[in-house]
Amino acid sequence: EAGVAQSPRYKIIEKRQSVAFWCNPISGHATLYWYQQILGQGPKLLIQFQNNGVVDDSQLPKDRFSAERLKGVDSTLKIQPAKLEDSAVYLCASSFGTGPYEQYFGPGTRLTVT
Amino acid sequence: QQQVKQSPQSLIVQKGGISIINCAYENTAFDYFPWYQQFPGKGPALLIAIRPDVSEKKEGRFTISFNKSAKQFSLHIMDSQPGDSATYFCAPKTQGGKLIFGQGTELSVKP
Repeated sequence: EAGVAQSPRYKIIEKRQSVAFWCNPISGHATLYWYQQILGQGPKLLIQFQNNGVVDDSQLPKDRFSAERLKGVDSTLKIQPAKLEDSAVYLCASSFGTGPYEQYFGPGTRLTVT
Repeated sequence: QQQVKQSPQSLIVQKGGISIINCAYENTAFDYFPWYQQFPGKGPALLIAIRPDVSEKKEGRFTISFNKSAKQFSLHIMDSQPGDSATYFCAPKTQGGKLIFGQGTELSVKP
């Protein structure tokens, strides 16, 4: 079974530029998550989708971050404009549902904002 | 604000020794208590998890002990191996599916 796919793996941009990350979850997984992991810290949830609807975006900085899940499958996370403090690894995860199901994580995209 | 506190921040253990990592939480609405393992350059992967109606769960060399009244749970790694060197996160789950990660424990197992 294929795992969660993310691209790109690495991205370097200057502050105030925009960037987009892509995630393809495991087939059949209804729930998709985007986490931000700053170096030396645990991942923090940014947004959670159930199919193509948003369940939780309480910690998403909505003035600069946006996300969508196309047709309940793939998802993109966008930052515009980027700030230095956005430098982090952006992890996508998926699960069968919101119950006691395992969340499977992708390898992440490492973003460096200079 | 949901709080999860993990300790220690780092741990050095000799090969064959026991590694113990602790996690304390404040919210009583969590319904699932997993530990995740993360290697450099990789995403976290589920190691072992426990439901709140169970006090202990063992899978091979890994054991979770859960104390509901104290709002604490711990990970024990028996016969620690160099391949266990990684960062470990407790990440209790809300009923809505959200994982609240601790700060992480960097484990180093010396040969």
